[in-house]
Amino acid sequence: AQTVTQSQPEMSVQEAETVTLSCTYDTSESDYYLFWYKQPPSRQMILVIRQEAYKQQNATENRFSVNFQKAAKSFSLKISDSQLGDAAMYFCAYRWRYGNKLVFGAGTILRVKS
Amino acid sequence: DTEVTQTPKHLVMGMTNKKSLKCEQHMGHRAMYWYKQKAKKPPELMFVYSYEKLSINESVPSRFSPECPNSSLLNLHLHALQPEDSALYLCASSQVSGKAGNTIYFGEGSWLTVV
Repeated sequence: AQTVTQSQPEMSVQEAETVTLSCTYDTSESDYYLFWYKQPPSRQMILVIRQEAYKQQNATENRFSVNFQKAAKSFSLKISDSQLGDAAMYFCAYRWRYGNKLVFGAGTILRVKS
Repeated sequence: DTEVTQTPKHLVMGMTNKKSLKCEQHMGHRAMYWYKQKAKKPPELMFVYSYEKLSINESVPSRFSPECPNSSLLNLHLHALQPEDSALYLCASSQVSGKAGNTIYFGEGSWLTVV
């Protein structure tokens, strides 16, 4: 069975600085997707970034980028120039290409200090 | 702006009531999902519909009854719930597995309180 582990229950970052959230996963599959979702207090689950396992290039979306290490089964999220609006719960998630299940990590609460 | 719309946003119901949660998407997705989420926890998968047929039921109690009337709509019928069923219920949709664009998109959720 696939598992996703987020070892940081809470993180804090100063506004305008950079923070990295960690995620590791375990799977025997080779074709899969990895995601970071953001859930602010409004509770809407918002897609932040997506990585396809067969792509070696790390995905980037504006201030958000990932460090995808397939051999190490690691998928960290870097947030640059942190803003107050980045404060939220962040979930790392895994989906096998041929399955319908999204496996979530436990989540990391990110606090942004002004 | 979310393209998965859920109604109602808030629902309070008694343990003997019957109510329904509704979800609609217009992205042409053929897979739709119900998740249950407790505070500060990740969402837990309840049901998956693929091409309007139930493909996954994660051993959910029968007091929760899903329905997929067509490719755009997903309902969750609620009956004889318990206070521990109070949670945020998230609807989601995606392309079916194996197709490009496997991202699962979520609605804003329906807050359910059982009294």
